[in-house]
Amino acid sequence: GQSLEQPSEVTAVEGAIVQINCTYQTSGFYGLSWYQQHDGGAPTFLSYNGLDGLEETGRFSSFLSRSDSYGYLLLQELQMKDSASYFCAVRGPNQGGKLIFGQGTELSVKP
Amino acid sequence: DAGVIQSPRHEVTEMGQEVTLRCKPISGHNSLFWYRQTMMRGLELLIYFNNNVPIDDSGMPEDRFSAKMPNASFSTLKIQPSEPRDSAVYFCASSPRTGNTEAFFGQGTRLTVV
Repeated sequence: GQSLEQPSEVTAVEGAIVQINCTYQTSGFYGLSWYQQHDGGAPTFLSYNGLDGLEETGRFSSFLSRSDSYGYLLLQELQMKDSASYFCAVRGPNQGGKLIFGQGTELSVKP
Repeated sequence: DAGVIQSPRHEVTEMGQEVTLRCKPISGHNSLFWYRQTMMRGLELLIYFNNNVPIDDSGMPEDRFSAKMPNASFSTLKIQPSEPRDSAVYFCASSPRTGNTEAFFGQGTRLTVV
C-alpha cells in the first residue's frame, strides 16, 4: 500500500524559512508531489520530484531522497498569503497509478 | 480549457435522499480521481478511473457509494441513501496521463446531509 507522514501544523513568521517534511511508504513510485490548499479552496499543484535532489521554483523548493523515502518542501521569504495547508502526494504504478495524499500540514504565517 | 468543472458547488439534502455529484475533467486527461475531504480524515481517495475504466475503488466507503464514467468527459459520484456522516467536500481531479503526479482539481462540492 501507500502511506505518507507529515507534521499536522507548523507556525513561522513573515520573512522566515520553513521546511515541511514528508516520509512515505509505497510499493511503487513515480515521484513525490506537493500541493497547496487555501481555506475553502481546491488543492493546487506546487512541485514534483521524480529523481533525488532539489527542485526550485521561485520561493519554493522541494527535495527528494528516494533511498530514505523522504522529501521536504522548503518555503523561503514567507508571506502572509503562504498560510495554507500543504500536502505531499505519491503516485505509483503498482496500484494502477492512484494518487494518494498525506494528511496535510497547516502552515500559519504570523506578522 | 476551463479546468475541471464540478457541480453542484453546494448541496444540502435530507438523510435518506439520493445525491449525485458531477464532474467534467479537462479534455485530453486520461486519469480521473474522486476525493472526499473532512477535517478528521483529510483527503481520502474514493475511486480512480483510467481511460474511463474504474481501476481502484477500494476507498469507496460503502455500497451506498457508486461512481461511473460513461465517457471521457463526464463522471458522476452517487450516494444513495445519504447519511449525515457523508457530509464533506467532494473533489474531482484529473491528470494528463498515468505516470503524471500533477492533478488538476475542481472547486469541489460541499455536501451537507441533515
